[in-house]
Amino acid sequence: EPEVTQTPSHQVTQMGQEVILRCVPISNHLYFYWYRQILGQKVEFLVSFYNNEISEKSEIFDDQFSVERPDGSNFTLKIRSTKLEDSAMYFCASTVEYAEAFFGQGTRLTVV
Amino acid sequence: GENVEQHPSTLSVQEGDSAVIKCTYSDSASNYFPWYKQELGKRPQLIIDIRSNVGEKKDQRIAVTLNKTAKHFSLHITETQPEDSAVYFCAASIPGNQFYFGTGTSLTVIP
Repeated sequence: EPEVTQTPSHQVTQMGQEVILRCVPISNHLYFYWYRQILGQKVEFLVSFYNNEISEKSEIFDDQFSVERPDGSNFTLKIRSTKLEDSAMYFCASTVEYAEAFFGQGTRLTVV
Repeated sequence: GENVEQHPSTLSVQEGDSAVIKCTYSDSASNYFPWYKQELGKRPQLIIDIRSNVGEKKDQRIAVTLNKTAKHFSLHITETQPEDSAVYFCAASIPGNQFYFGTGTSLTVIP
């Protein structure tokens, strides 16, 4: 069964450093998402991406965040200068229209 | 934008009893409503979904109902088992748009 894969599974970084989280969506999917989940809290939307551009973003997704689909398969989330409050589980998801979103296994980001 | 509210936040039931989780949404344009189950430390996984042209859908012990007029939908789990213990999230989506998630319900099934 096809699945969304994310790397790394766990990333520890120092405050102020840049991190790149990577995702490989399911190959025929068209819509891509990044969500985050702070421990014990709900899944929060960050950004959606369609047709090689951002289609929607939340207020969490400020200038420190960016997304790219550099080679048609990978979908990356970059945080330029990490803060302590960026520590969370980050989930990538992909879907075709009007269907379930498949989630990756997540990247646990710890900012120290 | 869409606002999804979910209740209760925690739910404990005896094994074999039923569990019901309720969600409301605000945007009448939402027309796809999935339910995800998230076990500790794992990714959310779809357990059932419903589209706006259907009022009810059932899959074995799990059922979902949708009332578009009232803008609410519910998850029903019958004959609960310990392995049903997890966090359940509802979501609402407009096609091509983001999924708006509820705040989650932590379900504990007591053996």
